Amino acid sequence: KNQVEQSPQSLIILEGKNCTLQCNYTVSPFSNLRWYKQDTGRGPVSLTIMTFSENTKSNGRYTATLDADTKQSSLHITASQLSDSASYICVVSAMINTGFQKLVFGTGTRLLVSP
Amino acid sequence: DTEVTQTPKHLVMGMTNKKSLKCEQHMGHRAMYWYKQKAKKPPELMFVYSYEKLSINESVPSRFSPECPNSSLLNLHLHALQPEDSALYLCASSQEGLAGSTDTQYFGPGTRLTVL
Repeated sequence: KNQVEQSPQSLIILEGKNCTLQCNYTVSPFSNLRWYKQDTGRGPVSLTIMTFSENTKSNGRYTATLDADTKQSSLHITASQLSDSASYICVVSAMINTGFQKLVFGTGTRLLVSP
Repeated sequence: DTEVTQTPKHLVMGMTNKKSLKCEQHMGHRAMYWYKQKAKKPPELMFVYSYEKLSINESVPSRFSPECPNSSLLNLHLHALQPEDSALYLCASSQEGLAGSTDTQYFGPGTRLTVL
């Protein structure tokens, strides 16, 4: 069964600190892995996307890593800001037999950055 | 312009009403998606349109009826909904959505639907 699990479920950090979010997946056949940021009541916004051959991808203060062998990914946030408070969703793309890709969403990590 | 717009932002309807959700993008994307998201849960895929044809229907009840009038527009027609259908309905689009592609799915802000 295609699944994406994220940890921790929720996290509180002080402004300016770094944090790392984890994602484990059992999705096959794997196409790519994405991290999205979702503010409450809004649609998700793409942060990074990585294919099988990519180990790391950065977008400003966000750095994602991918270990395709162990099927693990992480999202590292540097020098956190209050605006980083949101849900971070790991999404793995699976190739399905209709020729399209289907996104399998994790349950997300709710991050709260405290002043 | 990397924006996906959705109207209305909020919708309250009775179980006997007929309403429609609208989604629009002008990025030239040929794949468009409807997702349903319950509170504190990840989005669940409902439908995928590719080149204006319905490509994926994730066993969604017939009270939800999608329509793609052209490559920029996606509608979701609602009829005889149940209170448990209350959720955030997200529209997304991507370049093609084909297997193996890495094109990003751009999400709209969603329509918050409440069924009374």
